[in-house]
Amino acid sequence: NAGVTQTPKFQVLKTGQSMTLQCAQDMNHNSMYWYRQDPGMGLRLIYYSASEGTTDKGEVPNGYNVSRLNKREFSLRLESAAPSQTSVYFCASRVGSSYEQYFGPGTRLTVT
Amino acid sequence: EDQVTQSPEALRLQEGESSSLNCSYTVSGLRGLFWYRQDPGKGPEFLFTLYSAGEEKEKERLKATLTKKESFLHITAPKPEDSATYLCAVPALAGSARQLTFGSGTQLTVLP
Repeated sequence: NAGVTQTPKFQVLKTGQSMTLQCAQDMNHNSMYWYRQDPGMGLRLIYYSASEGTTDKGEVPNGYNVSRLNKREFSLRLESAAPSQTSVYFCASRVGSSYEQYFGPGTRLTVT
Repeated sequence: EDQVTQSPEALRLQEGESSSLNCSYTVSGLRGLFWYRQDPGKGPEFLFTLYSAGEEKEKERLKATLTKKESFLHITAPKPEDSATYLCAVPALAGSARQLTFGSGTQLTVLP
């Protein structure tokens, strides 16, 4: 089991460019999440997907879109990157009725 | 609004010097408190779940305890490999996918 995988690991974008962060899990989890982590601010939820075919906004959704492609994959898209989106992005998944989440290794994004 | 506050922000210990990290929360009807460990450049890794006041969980040199207002992560005789950021989280009140609200973490450094 690879668990939760994310690609790419690092990315540098210029302001206004777009990109998609990919996330996949092989644990047959129903729920998946996208977070961003900034110094001193902890993990903040961007979007989540309770199950295949559904997505909802989290705490900081502005400037992002998501797609739950299938049960395994949940992607995060930045349509027009801004320097304020410089951050480390984590994908996570959760199984069944527990609150326990499993995290991927993260994508470090810099927007110049 | 759910609030999770961790203290101190950073802690430096000598190897073998025991101490405690604090996580205080202002959530009514707590449905669990979660501790994670995060190594530099990696995603958070689940450590413990505590569900009720008085509950304790242990793993190697770590022991987590819970009261009605806060949780402590006690580190006994720490080693350099215990150096990491420790995050706590509580279930968010809103949302359909059992989201977590995270504290900003305590960065622990154990010096040899």
